[in-house]
Amino acid sequence: EIVLTQSPGTLSLSPGERATLSCRASQSVSSSYLAWYQQKPGQAPRLLIYGASSRATGIPDRFSGSGSGTDFSLTISRLEPEDFAVYYCQQYGSSPSTFGQGTKVEIK
Amino acid sequence: EVQLVESGGGLVQPGGSLRLSCAASGFTFSTYSMNWVRQAPGKGLEWVSYISSTGSTMYYADSVKGRFTVSRDNAKNSLYLQMNSLRAEDTAVYYCARPSYCSGGTCDYYHWGQGTLVTVSS
Repeated sequence: EIVLTQSPGTLSLSPGERATLSCRASQSVSSSYLAWYQQKPGQAPRLLIYGASSRATGIPDRFSGSGSGTDFSLTISRLEPEDFAVYYCQQYGSSPSTFGQGTKVEIK
Repeated sequence: EVQLVESGGGLVQPGGSLRLSCAASGFTFSTYSMNWVRQAPGKGLEWVSYISSTGSTMYYADSVKGRFTVSRDNAKNSLYLQMNSLRAEDTAVYYCARPSYCSGGTCDYYHWGQGTLVTVSS
């Protein structure tokens, strides 16, 4: 199975700053079937990005995804207070679908 | 509006059984494959099971294969997960999730329920 490694584990930033999260796959992700999710405490995950770079419905344009093959990233251009959360990447190009271990974006 | 509402979680002893349900509304349930995804306390996300729109194809994570069975009733807009021979490591919040895209049984997860907690402990 494809192992996804997210870095850093924790990102400490201030509101208004730019956040760049990394997701590296142990094998190439087929057809860029890579998604990003946001999860806040006590809530279900929310899909942000699918197909590596397509924003889900209602997701603000400060969120962007990029990458292909084995290296992917999620960028939040300017952090809003509601963006502090845990972010997971997921590949769905190969069975079984797998998730990264998560990156926590916390307020500095 | 898409709604997914899980139920059936609770405390069960090791070796016991539990049946989770997911009630779907706001979309044509019979045209979508569905998934179960779980999250152990304080841990990350793990895909558990997939079922095709007609219920003819099912896939399972190795960690639950032979113990869990996924099913659906399209007439009732409901998804189920029968969990047998439960272990402490099955303790988690279980989410049902509807995809926007699937290929060969792997999917993204566009809509999620609120989850139901399963605790396996003596």
